[in-house]
Amino acid sequence: GENVEQHPSTLSVQEGDSAVIKCTYSDSASNYFPWYKQELGKRPQLIIDIRSNVGEKKDQRIAVTLNKTAKHFSLHITETQPEDSAVYFCAASIGAQKLVFGQGTRLTINP
Amino acid sequence: EAGVAQSPRYKIIEKRQSVAFWCNPISGHATLYWYQQILGQGPKLLIQFQNNGVVDDSQLPKDRFSAERLKGVDSTLKIQPAKLEDSAVYLCASSLVRQGIYTQYFGPGTRLTVL
Repeated sequence: GENVEQHPSTLSVQEGDSAVIKCTYSDSASNYFPWYKQELGKRPQLIIDIRSNVGEKKDQRIAVTLNKTAKHFSLHITETQPEDSAVYFCAASIGAQKLVFGQGTRLTINP
Repeated sequence: EAGVAQSPRYKIIEKRQSVAFWCNPISGHATLYWYQQILGQGPKLLIQFQNNGVVDDSQLPKDRFSAERLKGVDSTLKIQPAKLEDSAVYLCASSLVRQGIYTQYFGPGTRLTVL
């Protein structure tokens, strides 16, 4: 089955700097890659997603890139703000039905 | 639109006791999922329903866990008997398909502590 590896497990950046989180997946048939943000004690919230027929997608300060050949995808957050502090999860699925999640990255934005 | 609702939000039980969780998906969402999220890990799918039928329960420990979705709307997840390692947050999610993609929306979860 699908396996998703996520790195780093923790990331600390200065406010205003950029943050990058990387994930690799194992099943080349996976075609949908969402990213979720989970604040402490809250539900995971979808922040951006990308389909396998697209190489990059951007939404204001966040972007996701996908390299199908290498089977990895990344989340990029620019101009980080304190409210970006949270745990971020990547996921992969075939047909977006069964999501397999990475282990999560705890992002801390230092003022 | 209203989000996925879950109850209770918190539950503390002793090992070998039984517990049940309830989920009400977003109106019109045919697909419903139950995930287990152990502290420090990503959510792991336990069971997926399409309307009231089971699509995937390959990771559900069927000797102690059961789930149902009567009438294709609300769902309950039961653990009987509970073990210490069942301590986790149980997340319910629902999805609607758009252009072939099932975007999943999560509920607030039920935090279970087994003593």
